[in-house]
Amino acid sequence: AQSVTQLGSHVSVSEGALVLLRCNYSSSVPPYLFWYVQYPNQGLQLLLKYTSAATLVKGINGFEAEFKKSETSFHLTKPSAHMSDAAEYFCAVSSGTYKYIFGTGTRLKVLA
Amino acid sequence: DAGITQSPRHKVTETGTPVTLRCHQTENHRYMYWYRQDPGHGLRLIHYSYGVKDTDKGEVSDGYSVSRSKTEDFLLTLESATSSQTSVYFCAISDGAGGTYNEQFFGPGTRLTVL
Repeated sequence: AQSVTQLGSHVSVSEGALVLLRCNYSSSVPPYLFWYVQYPNQGLQLLLKYTSAATLVKGINGFEAEFKKSETSFHLTKPSAHMSDAAEYFCAVSSGTYKYIFGTGTRLKVLA
Repeated sequence: DAGITQSPRHKVTETGTPVTLRCHQTENHRYMYWYRQDPGHGLRLIHYSYGVKDTDKGEVSDGYSVSRSKTEDFLLTLESATSSQTSVYFCAISDGAGGTYNEQFFGPGTRLTVL
């Protein structure tokens, strides 16, 4: 069975500080992993995805994530937070089917 | 943006009434999904479709049914709405051509309140 755990339902960072959002997964087969972002009153949009081509994945808006098999992690980072990064972020896993399992989300707050 | 619309965008209804939500796509994607989003639960899959008239249950399918008679439309029906079905409902699509890692594109959501 697949599962995703996002540590921290709320994260606050100062503008210009490092953003680190944590995601750990469980999968019995090699996983495909995703990070999505949701701005208020909108649907989700893809930030980046891991499909086994490279362990360090770069996405939109300066975000990146590193797949670490030994730690079963896929944490999302951004070197310098902007006010516009305030949103909710979801990690998701898919392995072997067309169904995805989403984490419970992390709401990022950026402080001026 | 992927061409996905959901209707209605907002609905208030009473317990026991039937409700149908519509998802319409213009991308000709094969796969369509219905999720519900609730605080503390993230997105949970209700039903999905892998082709016209081909559907399967997700993790929270009780109380919901779906139909897909055309590629572009995926309907979600609550036969007898309950207060526990108050939620935000999202439709998503993917083309599936590249395998299981295809991106899902999401619609704008429908906010449903059951009184």
